[in-house]
Amino acid sequence: DSGVTQTPKHLITATGQRVTLRCSPRSGDLSVYWYQQSLDQGLQFLIQYYNGEERAKGNILERFSAQQFPDLHSELNLSSLELGDSALYFCASSDYRGYTFGSGTRLTVV
Amino acid sequence: TQLLEQSPQFLSIQEGENLTVYCNSSSVFSSLQWYRQEPGEGPVLLVTVVTGGEVKKLKRLTFQFGDARKDSSLHITAAQPGDTGLYLCAGRYRDDKIIFGKGTRLHILP
Repeated sequence: DSGVTQTPKHLITATGQRVTLRCSPRSGDLSVYWYQQSLDQGLQFLIQYYNGEERAKGNILERFSAQQFPDLHSELNLSSLELGDSALYFCASSDYRGYTFGSGTRLTVV
Repeated sequence: TQLLEQSPQFLSIQEGENLTVYCNSSSVFSSLQWYRQEPGEGPVLLVTVVTGGEVKKLKRLTFQFGDARKDSSLHITAAQPGDTGLYLCAGRYRDDKIIFGKGTRLHILP
């Protein structure tokens, strides 16, 4: 157990729908990073939050948004879903050594 | 565009053989990390190398950071089926931005 908790583990939904992925970082960690992993693109950084504030933005589509709540858990909202959004979505905590990832949410858009 | 190239993309070898995988960039990194990812799980940090020329060992795994801090290698001695997985390298720049390679998918045949 990495200490980073993600739910749900699997999600199947139809095109055009909206879903919310949830992440709880390691206890005491203020940062949350969201990544998307697909076979052809590898791990792509989406967005980082630190103590409730957006800190950095990567290749995140306008249809996607995130937020971090006062209890430090974070949600990634994906809307107007397309087939190409099917991927693994990870959140992570970070320290000076590197990332600690959750076990991910596998999103399948049909 | 900042890129981190990993080679080979795929490697399938017999148990007991040795192997080396590579991670290359034209950019200089302040540190470089190696992760292993198993199916259905998030990447797990194996090691972080910081100093040019640094060598770190983790049991049968030897990690080396290039002298110019642009490249790295991972050498596995006497590979075992438990080494099977996706090996990812990630480079951290001075501005703390991190990029991932697409990984080497390693399969050890018993």
